[in-house]
Amino acid sequence: AQSVSQHNHHVILSEAASLELGCNYSYGGTVNLFWYVQYPGQHLQLLLKYFSGDPLVKGIKGFEAEFIKSKFSFNLRKPSVQWSDTAEYFCAVRSSGSARQLTFGSGTQLTVLP
Amino acid sequence: EAQVTQNPRYLITVTGKKLTVTCSQNMNHEYMSWYRQDPGLGLRQIYYSMNVEVTDKGDVPEGYKVSRKEKRNFPLILESPSPNQTSLYFCASSPGYQETQYFGPGTRLLVL
Repeated sequence: AQSVSQHNHHVILSEAASLELGCNYSYGGTVNLFWYVQYPGQHLQLLLKYFSGDPLVKGIKGFEAEFIKSKFSFNLRKPSVQWSDTAEYFCAVRSSGSARQLTFGSGTQLTVLP
Repeated sequence: EAQVTQNPRYLITVTGKKLTVTCSQNMNHEYMSWYRQDPGLGLRQIYYSMNVEVTDKGDVPEGYKVSRKEKRNFPLILESPSPNQTSLYFCASSPGYQETQYFGPGTRLLVL
């Protein structure tokens, strides 16, 4: 079965700091990868996704992620965070072996201090 | 406006009292899914539906039922709720199972 690991449970940064959130998945075959964001009191919104092609994916609000197949990773990055980026971030994977299911990581709570 | 709606948004109930959480989408999506979100565990899939009358178990289906009689609706049924089903529930839909899912606003359930 596929699984997703997000090792950082809570990250605290000051505004303008750079961000990198880790995401590793377990499946060795073809994968679709996603990052979702959940702002306080709101539902999940898609930040970015990778299906195929360029492994460096750009999403909304200045976020990007890099798919590194050899490392089974899909880390989320942002060069300069803002207070409004305070939210919970979820990595998710859909594999060719379990194509009908989307498996989420446990989430990373990001707090940006003004 | 394209959206996924859930009702109710908040619900407090007691052990054993049957309840239904409704989910509806207006985007003609074929794929719909239910998740529960618990602290430290992220989102876990309960059930999903590929289309009308086609449903299947996700990772944590015990204690839940679903039905998909119409394309737009995918209700989640708790026949006999227990306190361990206290959680935040999200419904999601997508045009097909391989495509990006759109999430509803969530239903916060407390079972006493």
